[in-house]
Amino acid sequence: KNEVEQSPQNLTAQEGEFITINCSYSVGISALHWLQQHPGGGIVSLFMLSSGKKKHGRLIATINIQEKHSSLHITASHPRDSAVYICAGDSGGGADGLTFGKGTHLIIQP
Amino acid sequence: GAGVSQSPSNKVTEKGKDVELRCDPISGHTALYWYRQSLGQGLEFLIYFQGNSAPDKSGLPSDRFSAERTGGSVSTLTIQRTQQEDSAVYLCASSLAGAGGYTQYFGPGTRLTVL
Repeated sequence: KNEVEQSPQNLTAQEGEFITINCSYSVGISALHWLQQHPGGGIVSLFMLSSGKKKHGRLIATINIQEKHSSLHITASHPRDSAVYICAGDSGGGADGLTFGKGTHLIIQP
Repeated sequence: GAGVSQSPSNKVTEKGKDVELRCDPISGHTALYWYRQSLGQGLEFLIYFQGNSAPDKSGLPSDRFSAERTGGSVSTLTIQRTQQEDSAVYLCASSLAGAGGYTQYFGPGTRLTVL
């Protein structure tokens, strides 16, 4: 059974701080998705990566396949980044869907 | 273009009634997924369709749950004889292909409340 562990569960930071959220996953997962969910809002896909690093604006996602670890970084954090960030493992076969971490509740204070 | 849409957005029902939830994926997306988000369980995978076919239904929580997809497009998730533990947000997602490793686009969800 695929497993995904995410940390921290909760994170409060000041505006402008560099944020890191970590995710480790089990054998059988070949790609990692990072998702964002604002309070009361829908789920938005931020990144899907199976190797290396991806960047979009102030968001950076990295993955280390050997260590089975991925990180999501937010540079120059802003209160509008406050949301739940979820990592989800993808086995690559489609039929298993995504296996989700418990999410990181991020609050950026002005 | 249009994203994934789901209806109804909210559904309140009485215990024991049947409910039907609908998902309209992004046009051209062959893969469709149903997930459930509840306070106690977080996000969990229910079922996957590649085209009209669901190769594995073991993710469905019980035999009261069924799903179908017709014409490679619209999908319905049906819950028979609803129970209070079925209360959750039911999410649908679609992706270009179902081999995995493709971005999944999520719908806004249907919030189901079973009284």
